[in-house]
Amino acid sequence: EIVMTQSPATLSVSPGDRATLSCWASQSIGINLAWYQHKPGQAPRLLIYGASMRATGIPGRFSGSGSGTEFILTINSLQSEDFAVYYCQQYMNWPPFTFGPGTKVDIK
Amino acid sequence: QVQLVESGGGVVQSGRSLRLSCAASGFNFSSYTMFWVRQAPGKGLEWVSLISYNGRNTYYADSVRGRFAIARDNSDHTLSLQMHSLRIDDTAIYFCVKAARGLFGDLWGQGALVTVSS
Repeated sequence: EIVMTQSPATLSVSPGDRATLSCWASQSIGINLAWYQHKPGQAPRLLIYGASMRATGIPGRFSGSGSGTEFILTINSLQSEDFAVYYCQQYMNWPPFTFGPGTKVDIK
Repeated sequence: QVQLVESGGGVVQSGRSLRLSCAASGFNFSSYTMFWVRQAPGKGLEWVSLISYNGRNTYYADSVRGRFAIARDNSDHTLSLQMHSLRIDDTAIYFCVKAARGLFGDLWGQGALVTVSS
């Protein structure tokens, strides 16, 4: 099973600043990585797939990078609606599909 | 409207059964692999099960294999999860998820809360 880790667990950011979230895979997953945004009481939303491809309707301030075992999600100029929990997920080797533990982005 | 709507959640005693349903609309349901993913209270996301577009192939997380059964009715655009021998640690919000071609989730439902009590 591929284990996904994320850092930091919590990131405190001021509106308008940049947030950088990291995700690691326990073995190479190529670019088979997705990022999701999840707010309490809502459906998770796909942000990024293929490590760097923005999903339909996702603003340009969200960008993903990386390959192999190290990945980054960058959120430029954070807006109020961006405060949420962010998860990475690998879909290279399955079952199981595995998620990282999440990074909570909150207001500084 | 493209959406997934779960139903069937509730409070159930440990050892009993419960069936979740997911109604799909706004897309060609029969063309897509579907997942169930859950989130226990205060925890992250955990993949539970997958079913292929035609229902012929199913996969389960180790934690639910032998107790849960995923199924779909393409004529009715519905996905289901039959849960047996429920345990306290099955308490979670269960999300119905449409998988894109690469098997990541590109559409999620709002979730159904399942609470297993002792």
